[in-house]
Amino acid sequence: AQKVTQAQTEISVVEKEDVTLDCVYETRDTTYYLFWYKQPPSGELVFLIRRNSFDEQNEISGRYSWNFQKSTSSFNFTITASQVVDSAVYFCALSEAEASGGSYIPTFGRGTSLIVHP
Amino acid sequence: DTAVSQTPKYLVTQMGNDKSIKCEQNLGHDTMYWYKQDSKKFLKIMFSYNNKELIINETVPNRFSPKSPDKAHLNLHINSLELGDSAVYFCASSQDFPGGGANVLTFGAGSRLTVL
Repeated sequence: AQKVTQAQTEISVVEKEDVTLDCVYETRDTTYYLFWYKQPPSGELVFLIRRNSFDEQNEISGRYSWNFQKSTSSFNFTITASQVVDSAVYFCALSEAEASGGSYIPTFGRGTSLIVHP
Repeated sequence: DTAVSQTPKYLVTQMGNDKSIKCEQNLGHDTMYWYKQDSKKFLKIMFSYNNKELIINETVPNRFSPKSPDKAHLNLHINSLELGDSAVYFCASSQDFPGGGANVLTFGAGSRLTVL
């Protein structure tokens, strides 16, 4: 069964600090997909990134970067020079390849609430 | 044009009532979902449905029933509402990929249900 753990319930930083949100996953599949979603105070969930299990390259998009490490089953998310607008709940999610008998329905972690103070 | 729209956005009702939440997507996606988000922000899958099959989370009480009149709609009907049903319900949709699993979900804005 797939499982996603986001151990940090809430993180509070001051603007311009760098912050890393941790995500640890469990799966027995060799083919799987990892995601990050953002839920700002307005409430709507927004997709940020998808990674497949065969691509361990780190990714950078502006101030956002993701570090995927299969050896530690982690897919961490770093925000550089945080801004107040980054305040949101961030969810890590995992889905398995249906073709291998896994559940293609994304399982979400419990989310990390990031508060960025001015 | 909203990609995934849910109505109503807010719903306040009494215990024991029956209510429905409607969801429509105009993305042409193959699969639709209902997730429940509790007061601690935990997102839990309730149902997933495409034109091939309905997948039900076994922990969902049978008072909850999804109804899909067509590929673009997945409504959620709840019978005999209980206090514990108070939550935000999110509809989502995704385009299927070969092999499954890579689906990126597009979420609706959520429907906040309060049961008194």
